[in-house]
Amino acid sequence: QKEVEQDPGPLSVPEGAIVSLNCTYSNSAFQYFMWYRQYSRKGPELLMYTYSSGNKEDGRFTAQVDKSSKYISLFIRDSQPSDSATYLCATLNSGGYQKVTFGTGTKLQVIP
Amino acid sequence: ETGVTQTPRHLVMGMTNKKSLKCEQHLGHNAMYWYKQSAKKPLELMFVYSLEERVENNSVPSRFSPECPNSSHLFLHLHTLQPEDSALYLCASSQDGAGGWYGYTFGSGTRLTVV
Repeated sequence: QKEVEQDPGPLSVPEGAIVSLNCTYSNSAFQYFMWYRQYSRKGPELLMYTYSSGNKEDGRFTAQVDKSSKYISLFIRDSQPSDSATYLCATLNSGGYQKVTFGTGTKLQVIP
Repeated sequence: ETGVTQTPRHLVMGMTNKKSLKCEQHLGHNAMYWYKQSAKKPLELMFVYSLEERVENNSVPSRFSPECPNSSHLFLHLHTLQPEDSALYLCASSQDGAGGWYGYTFGSGTRLTVV
């Protein structure tokens, strides 16, 4: 079982739709959660970073963490063609030697 | 230049060649990383340098050899690679030492093709 599972997609949605991207993780030591966005022919860029269970909002983006079910989500409201990219979830364990574990990424296409 | 710069952007090499990938960060970060990104696989951590000292070598074959001469520069020396080594090689830096507490800043990567 992979430590972080993510549906690779691709996911195609019309412009303006609400997008839901999801990951599950298996290790309870993971305490910090991140979403990276990777445009084609570019490296990943940090989009959002959250620690606790609950929601964190930043503009059109909302990161949600449910530690009880080991489930993390990224919601994009009013999706735009410029949101078309691959979205990678990532986790960081607490304590000891910190290690970042990435999901495989979900490719999103927002159609005008 | 700002951020993390990687050169070359594309590289095609034969299995007997020797080549090097270069990474430079202009952010004042104190940790640098090499990651391998292959299709449909998670990012694979290869090497971590914190304050110019290697702190992790993630069981990477010896045909990959990293070098970190100072906190701003990182190299990945390649020799006698295999076709399965074809991938996107990403360099990253972070400000918090090994671990990525505040997230990584990635370069655009080197697309490597081994023929």
